[in-house]
Amino acid sequence: EVQLVESGGGLVKPGGSLRLSCAASGFTFSSYSMNWVRQAPGKGLEWVSSISSSSSYIYYADSVKGRFTISRDNAKNSLYLQMNSLRAEDTAVYYCAREDCTNGVCLGSFDYWGQGTLVTVSS
Amino acid sequence: QSVLTQPPSVSGAPGQRVTISCTGSSSNIGAGYDVHWYQQLPGTAPKLLIYGNSNRPSGVPDRFSGSKSGTSASLAITGLQAEDEADYYCQSYDSSLSGSNVFGTGTKVTVL
Repeated sequence: EVQLVESGGGLVKPGGSLRLSCAASGFTFSSYSMNWVRQAPGKGLEWVSSISSSSSYIYYADSVKGRFTISRDNAKNSLYLQMNSLRAEDTAVYYCAREDCTNGVCLGSFDYWGQGTLVTVSS
Repeated sequence: QSVLTQPPSVSGAPGQRVTISCTGSSSNIGAGYDVHWYQQLPGTAPKLLIYGNSNRPSGVPDRFSGSKSGTSASLAITGLQAEDEADYYCQSYDSSLSGSNVFGTGTKVTVL
């Protein structure tokens, strides 16, 4: 059974840092591109960042570029999001999501999601 | 602000058919990029409902169907049921954005 479990959320002051983790199980983690998607309270979904299976390709939304860093450790089946210079508008539930890939071809859709971890940026 | 626009809400009685539009532009849907749809029940993570414009993952009822034409896509729910009350989001790729993935603004479906 595919499982994605996020952790690391919490309350942080503006300008502070936080590192989110996503533990993956039930599939060959090293074969899939992974993503972070966030949802501010009462708002819609916002794609944050993606990383290819071997970390060769990394992309960020303009809203987080230069402040957030996505990474992965395939040996540990884990995905990370280092968040620096946090702002109030970064307050959201952060989901990790697997991109649907078959035989190295990724479809662009996110077929499995974690339960999310809440990040609150407030003084 | 998302580049994919959805109606904020749609509603229907049990058994009825409702459709949700996802309007994009020539840099995303109109450029030929696939559209995917997600269902988010209250308090839960999103769930993939339709991928590649019109394909249903295993386990998704055939009451849900997707289509794409020009710069827009649509999700249809036929035989509306109470458990379909949720938020629905479209998603695609946009060549004008640095990161490229983009979600629609979201639509709340209410079963009357």
